[in-house]
Amino acid sequence: DAGVTQSPTHLIKTRGQQVTLRCSPKSGHDTVSWYQQALGQGPQFIFQYYEEEERQRGNFPDRFSGHQFPNYSSELNVNALLLGDSALYLCASSSSPGPATYEQYFGPGTRLTVT
Amino acid sequence: GENVEQHPSTLSVQEGDSAVIKCTYSDSASNYFPWYKQELGKRPQLIIDIRSNVGEKKDQRIAVTLNKTAKHFSLHITETQPEDSAVYFCAASYGKLTFGQGTILTVHP
Repeated sequence: DAGVTQSPTHLIKTRGQQVTLRCSPKSGHDTVSWYQQALGQGPQFIFQYYEEEERQRGNFPDRFSGHQFPNYSSELNVNALLLGDSALYLCASSSSPGPATYEQYFGPGTRLTVT
Repeated sequence: GENVEQHPSTLSVQEGDSAVIKCTYSDSASNYFPWYKQELGKRPQLIIDIRSNVGEKKDQRIAVTLNKTAKHFSLHITETQPEDSAVYFCAASYGKLTFGQGTILTVHP
């Protein structure tokens, strides 16, 4: 049973560039949530996708956008990168969205460094 | 929005002792309270969770208690082992996880 996978593992970008991160959920899961984890802090919720639509969003600017595909995989896009966007980006999958979201399983993350 | 406070920020115990980490939350709508263990450079791993209709849950050496009235929940680890050393995060959820600041647990052999 495949767990949550993410790609790439590491990424180095320059300020102002754009980046796309990818996530495949655990088998049997249809809901994908994205989190940003800065060094030494807990993960912060970015947004959640279900049925190819953004269902919930945290306090992140519009530079952060996403997409979910019919096979439930998801992408996180960040435009106009800032130094402060450097973080570990985690994808979590679950079997239902919104208030019915319970167990969320995290992928290994993508370490983004903005220089 | 939801706010989760976690204490202590660091916890050092001797092997075999118990460890307790406490969290408080602000949003009474939160209905799910998981605990994650994160080792250095690795993903957060779900170790135990509790839903709002349950007061206590135990899984071998790990237990979680929830007091909905006071809006606080705690993680209890008994008979700690060096491999329990990691960062532990509590979270409260009504769909989206809001995490505490984390507790660095060190278990000395």
